[in-house]
Amino acid sequence: EAGVAQSPRYKIIEKRQSVAFWCNPISGHATLYWYQQILGQGPKLLIQFQNNGVVDDSQLPKDRFSAERLKGVDSTLKIQPAKLEDSAVYLCASSSSGNSYEQYFGPGTRLTVT
Amino acid sequence: AQTVTQSQPEMSVQEAETVTLSCTYDTSESDYYLFWYKQPPSRQMILVIRQEAYKQQNATENRFSVNFQKAAKSFSLKISDSQLGDAAMYFCAYRSPGRGADGLTFGKGTHLIIQP
Repeated sequence: EAGVAQSPRYKIIEKRQSVAFWCNPISGHATLYWYQQILGQGPKLLIQFQNNGVVDDSQLPKDRFSAERLKGVDSTLKIQPAKLEDSAVYLCASSSSGNSYEQYFGPGTRLTVT
Repeated sequence: AQTVTQSQPEMSVQEAETVTLSCTYDTSESDYYLFWYKQPPSRQMILVIRQEAYKQQNATENRFSVNFQKAAKSFSLKISDSQLGDAAMYFCAYRSPGRGADGLTFGKGTHLIIQP
């Protein structure tokens, strides 16, 4: 079974530029999560999708971050415009809707904003 | 809101010895799930062990076991016979019962060093 795929693995941009990250969850997993992990901290949930609907986006900075999950499969997370404090690893995770207590994580995208 | 606290930023243990990582949490919920995740330098989060709050028996997975004290809101991880491959960041995480919003709340992590 293929795991959660993310791309790119690394991205360097200047502040005020925009950036997008892509996630492909494990096949059949209805729930998809995006986490932000700042250096030296644990991951923080940004947004949770159930199929293509948003379940929880209470910690998403909506003035600059947006996310979508078209057709309930792949997802993209966008930052526009980026700030220095957005430098972090962005992790995508997925889980099945049935026995859903385990989340499977992708390798993450490391974003550096200069 | 739930919070998770890991008070040990770094722990060091000799290979083949036993080490215990601490975690405390705060919640008003009576039913929930607790997890320990391992994150090696590759950044891939790997589930080590999980505990359902309604189960009194402590979870065990091979060399990994937990000490779950629900009244004290404590959830420590014991690693027996430590191996070089155990070196990583370890995160304690909390999850509400799975209906709707069930994202994980993580602690800040403990960096585990294994000395050969």
